[in-house]
Amino acid sequence: AQSVAQPEDQVNVAEGNPLTVKCTYSVSGNPYLFWYVQYPNRGLQFLLKYITGDNLVKGSYGFEAEFNKSQTSFHLKKPSALVSDSALYFCAVREGDYKLSFGAGTTVTVRA
Amino acid sequence: DAGVIQSPRHEVTEMGQEVTLRCKPISGHNSLFWYRQTMMRGLELLIYFNNNVPIDDSGMPEDRFSAKMPNASFSTLKIQPSEPRDSAVYFCASSHPGNEQFFGPGTRLTVL
Repeated sequence: AQSVAQPEDQVNVAEGNPLTVKCTYSVSGNPYLFWYVQYPNRGLQFLLKYITGDNLVKGSYGFEAEFNKSQTSFHLKKPSALVSDSALYFCAVREGDYKLSFGAGTTVTVRA
Repeated sequence: DAGVIQSPRHEVTEMGQEVTLRCKPISGHNSLFWYRQTMMRGLELLIYFNNNVPIDDSGMPEDRFSAKMPNASFSTLKIQPSEPRDSAVYFCASSHPGNEQFFGPGTRLTVL
């Protein structure tokens, strides 16, 4: 079965500093990987995806993610974090044609 | 587009009562998903519809749960009878097949 792991429950950074949220995956075959963000009392919002092609994927709100096949990682990054980036972030891998398997989530807190 | 619409946003009911959650997917999306989110179990896929047909209901926890999609613009998730352990946030999501899923705002269910 496909799976993802988010090794950090929480990430704390100062505003203006780089933000990295880690994700590793375990799949058979080519991975289809996604990042979602969830703000309090809201649904999940799609940030970006990797299907094939360039290893660096750019997404919404200035986020990007780097696919690393040798390290089986798909870390989410933002060069300069904002207080408004404070939220819960989920990495997910698609199993088959439709099923998403989500990580446990990482809570990001950006302090002013 | 208004995005995925869910109602009600909050539901408080007593054990043993019937609960019906409603979802209107994004127009043109023919894949629809129901998820449950809890602290203990994270995000779980309950059921997946494609072109209004249930394709995968392996995540439905037990016979008390049922879901229908009578047409392309409406789906329901019903719990009868409800139990306190059903308390969770229930999300509906829609997509074009194989593409990223767009989530609704969720229904927060509390069963007393």
